[in-house]
Amino acid sequence: GAGVSQTPSNKVTEKGKYVELRCDPISGHTALYWYRQSLGQGPEFLIYFQGTGAADDSGLPNDRFFAVRPEGSVSTLKIQRTERGDSAVYLCASSQDTGDEQYFGPGTRLTVT
Amino acid sequence: DQQVKQNSPSLSVQEGRISILNCDYTNSMFDYFLWYKKYPAEGPTFLISISSIKDKNEDGRFTVFLNKSAKHLSLHIVPSQPGDSAVYFCAASDVSGGSNYKLTFGKGTLLTVNP
Repeated sequence: GAGVSQTPSNKVTEKGKYVELRCDPISGHTALYWYRQSLGQGPEFLIYFQGTGAADDSGLPNDRFFAVRPEGSVSTLKIQRTERGDSAVYLCASSQDTGDEQYFGPGTRLTVT
Repeated sequence: DQQVKQNSPSLSVQEGRISILNCDYTNSMFDYFLWYKKYPAEGPTFLISISSIKDKNEDGRFTVFLNKSAKHLSLHIVPSQPGDSAVYFCAASDVSGGSNYKLTFGKGTLLTVNP
């Protein structure tokens, strides 16, 4: 079956702009996760959804970052007033249920110029 | 503050030999450990895991060893194959504390298996 997909695969934006990154989880997976991988680092947890609700957003770096999952499937990570330090690969993962194996998408590479 | 550390950025081994990738952790609340493998332009894929109640878990060519007292785990790949060349991430979570969904990753080790 189809895996986790993320769009766009690459996004270049200017400092100060707003961006949206989309994640389509595996069908039927109730849990969805966002991670950020900066250059030379491992993935870093941002936020976790169980169904439509954000169960843990403790990893979001500041209030410029926000994520939604209105229908319990597709999720969008939104970044306002982007900064050069936001440049990273943003990874989405989903799992059948909380705590199950997480399946990762290929990521969106965000570059802020 | 790195709670999961992979101190070797890279490792090169000959095909057919053993690859040993190491990982240390500092957070004593971690009780579940995973290894992920990542190819370029792809997301990480789950490889093998181990609970803190065990000291060894084996799956085919892959074995993970856990030394809780030393807060150290290692991944052994025997025999190594060129297709194993990838970045390997060690990850940990606090299952009994209710954070089984939150993975804390190390920086990764690039394994190169030479034919």
